[in-house]
Amino acid sequence: KAGVTQTPRYLIKTRGQQVTLSCSPISGHRSVSWYQQTPGQGLQFLFEYFSETQRNKGNFPGRFSGRQFSNSRSEMNVSTLELGDSALYLCASSLRASGGDYSTDTQYFGPGTRLTVL
Amino acid sequence: GNSVTQMEGPVTLSEEAFLTINCTYTATGYPSLFWYVQYPGEGLQLLLKATKADDKGSNKGFEATYRKETTSFHLEKGSVQVSDSAVYFCALILGGSEKLVFGKGTKLTVNP
Repeated sequence: KAGVTQTPRYLIKTRGQQVTLSCSPISGHRSVSWYQQTPGQGLQFLFEYFSETQRNKGNFPGRFSGRQFSNSRSEMNVSTLELGDSALYLCASSLRASGGDYSTDTQYFGPGTRLTVL
Repeated sequence: GNSVTQMEGPVTLSEEAFLTINCTYTATGYPSLFWYVQYPGEGLQLLLKATKADDKGSNKGFEATYRKETTSFHLEKGSVQVSDSAVYFCALILGGSEKLVFGKGTKLTVNP
């Protein structure tokens, strides 16, 4: 079974631009979560999408947004880029079977998209 | 709030040495606990997990036991290899949420 894929792997943008990152979950997985990883702040949760709806959101400004499509693929968008947005953006997928206790779900991570803002 | 505290690194060991990376947590409920590993230039890989008290997760020679009384989930390996060099993250998740809360990571370097 193919793992989580993220495109592109590397991006270089300038301040003020916007960027869209893409994530394809493991086949059959219905939940997609996004995380930002920086040397200073570590790994921080951005948001989670399930059945095309945002279910959870972390403490990030509104410049960070996302969406999920009917095939569970997800995109994340950052508008008006700032230097501090330079980071590794990781996507994770999980099964999130209906009616279950999701705390036992395992999140499987993609390789990440390395965003550099100049 | 919910948080995870890991021992600070970096940790440098010789091959075949014993490894312990301490992890303690604070949670408002009853979390599931995870160890993830990140190799240079890669994403996170699940190493092991435990979902209830006294559960022991194990994989590739690594072990961790969910200790509710001490709110801990320490990672151990009896004999490390050079290929174990990576950054290790302890994490928790609470029921009803997909939000993983991570520790700051511990960088392990194993020398031949």
